[in-house]
Amino acid sequence: GDSVTQMEGPVTLSEEAFLTINCTYTATGYPSLFWYVQYPGEGLQLLLKATKADDKGSNKGFEATYRKETTSFHLEKGSVQVSDSAVYFCALSEKSSYKLIFGSGTRLLVRP
Amino acid sequence: DGGITQSPKYLFRKEGQNVTLSCEQNLNHDAMYWYRQDPGQGLRLIYYSQIVNDFQKGDIAEGYSVSREKKESFPLTVTSAQKNPTAFYLCASSTGLADTQYFGPGTRLTVL
Repeated sequence: GDSVTQMEGPVTLSEEAFLTINCTYTATGYPSLFWYVQYPGEGLQLLLKATKADDKGSNKGFEATYRKETTSFHLEKGSVQVSDSAVYFCALSEKSSYKLIFGSGTRLLVRP
Repeated sequence: DGGITQSPKYLFRKEGQNVTLSCEQNLNHDAMYWYRQDPGQGLRLIYYSQIVNDFQKGDIAEGYSVSREKKESFPLTVTSAQKNPTAFYLCASSTGLADTQYFGPGTRLTVL
């Protein structure tokens, strides 16, 4: 079945460092791909999405490109801030299904 | 403001009691979902509903029940049959197939 694999955390960075969180997926069709962010004690917020191959989603300085050839959707940010500390979830949704399949999440800790 | 509300934010229950978690949305979305999140894990789908008066089991429906009498509301009942109910519960909604899911702030349920 469909699945999403994320790099294990925690990822610890200094402020202004470059961020990459890896995400790869397995799917039978051509899914839509998402990154969600969860701050402590809160629900999930949509960070960005891409619906077809080679699309780039971007928001708040974060970017991710839908790579069909490597089945990946890695999250990047050029310069992280302390306020970016959170748990990041990669997810996919097949176009024939209502289900959203999540990775296990990657905790990011940014130190001043 | 449009959005999803969940209540209460924190809920305590004694073993053997049923408890109902509220989820309301004013986004005019047709589809609604319930997820369970355990520490350090991704989200798992409990139930989902595509339209009013219709709902489907997700991956971990045992010990839970739902209703969808109104488009705006999708309450989740955690029954005494759920063996390990302590978790963070998240409600979400979307316009339709493979569309972006938007999440509420969550309810943390603790069984004493």
